[in-house]
Amino acid sequence: QLQLQESGPGLVKPSETLSLTCSVSGGSISSSSYYWGWIRQPPGKGLEWIGSIYDSGSTYYNPSLKSRVTISADTSKNQFSLKLNFVTAADTAVYYCARDKRGGGDCCNWFDPWGQGILVTVSS
Amino acid sequence: DIVMTQSPDSLAVSLGERATITCKSSQSVLYNSNNKNYLAWYQQKPGQPPKLLIYWASTRESGVPDRFSGSGSGTDFTLTISSLQAEDVAVYYCQQYYSTPPNFGQGTKLEIK
Repeated sequence: QLQLQESGPGLVKPSETLSLTCSVSGGSISSSSYYWGWIRQPPGKGLEWIGSIYDSGSTYYNPSLKSRVTISADTSKNQFSLKLNFVTAADTAVYYCARDKRGGGDCCNWFDPWGQGILVTVSS
Repeated sequence: DIVMTQSPDSLAVSLGERATITCKSSQSVLYNSNNKNYLAWYQQKPGQPPKLLIYWASTRESGVPDRFSGSGSGTDFTLTISSLQAEDVAVYYCQQYYSTPPNFGQGTKLEIK
């Protein structure tokens, strides 16, 4: 059964870089023809797609965040990561990683499964 | 970007009754070459990640009870729960994947009346 788990600091200072990792078990990110994505949800609000990556390194980013976001993959560890630069309080959210389930090397579609999420608070 | 708008924002339905949530996209999400609507529905319970219910607007994900159904085409879509159960209390989101970024609706909170 495919499982995803987010990890990283729960508190980040304004203007610094948010760094999160998604560890995947029960399947390989490098042999599956899927994109792998990050989605966030501010407390009490809706969902916002951040971006997705393919094992080859192909990435897609939300234009609203593109200037500050980098998503990368470490296939040897079966992980992919998110870096968000110059964070502000508006970046406080639960960050989820998820698989783009359509497959076939196609982005950006419906997501399943999702990790449990990690709350990241931006505060000094 | 395609904007997704759900209605209502919240809904209270009696147990055993039908619940209907609508989702409207700012432009069509029907891809004419394959006649598929690029729309998904999710259920999110408190403290949990979203759970995929439906994709291609009407294809139920494996394991999802058949009381959940999706319909619609083009710009107007509906999620229907035919007979509301207590465990269906959640926030429901639609999401388009016709174009990047794949945007979500604002969510509809479903409660028991």
